[in-house]
Amino acid sequence: QVQLQQSGPGLVKPSQTLSLTCAISGDSVSTNSAGWHWIRQSPSRGLEWLGRTYYRSKWYKDYALSMKSRVTISADTSENQLSLQLISVTPEDTAVYYCARNTGWAFGSWGQGTLVTVSS
Amino acid sequence: QSALTQPPSVSGSPGQSVTISCTGTSSDVGSYNRVSWYQQPPGTVPKLMIYEVSNRPSGVPDRFSGSKSGNTASLTISGLQAEDEADYYCSSYTSSTTYVFGTGTKVTVL
Repeated sequence: QVQLQQSGPGLVKPSQTLSLTCAISGDSVSTNSAGWHWIRQSPSRGLEWLGRTYYRSKWYKDYALSMKSRVTISADTSENQLSLQLISVTPEDTAVYYCARNTGWAFGSWGQGTLVTVSS
Repeated sequence: QSALTQPPSVSGSPGQSVTISCTGTSSDVGSYNRVSWYQQPPGTVPKLMIYEVSNRPSGVPDRFSGSKSGNTASLTISGLQAEDEADYYCSSYTSSTTYVFGTGTKVTVL
């Protein structure tokens, strides 16, 4: 049973960097059979896929085109966790952020969600 | 990458069937059998209901079924129950090696 436990601040000031982590249990972040994603959800934008990282003999990353210039997703194999960094945030980045694991082509496991509010 | 298009809402009486459409393009829904569906009651985390167009994960009732024709995928809930009231989202892999979600559909059980 894979479990994803998210942590990180719930309030970030405009222009600063949003940083979240996702601790993985029941699987390895460097498994060859899954990918690790960040997804966010807001009332105005619905569910929005931000990006992913996965390991297939080497690390790969893909990002949503609209976020590519501001987002970084990385894996920490020593801590078995996933991280998200989003730079230069604005109030439009206020959302619930989720980490998720895919096997096949679907998101079968999700973190509990972290509400991040961008406000001064 | 534009969001996949879903109807904002559908409704039905208990026992009836409802179908939710998910329309994309030839770069996502139309290119791959990599469409999935998620159920999200208010205040909860999305739950996978259908993967790869028509497959149900273990534990998902067989009242839920998926299909696809061209650039449009569909989720059908047969024998609608009160517990099915939730928001539903589709998702697809894309030719840009990214993923895209649908706009979401609120299912109301009358």
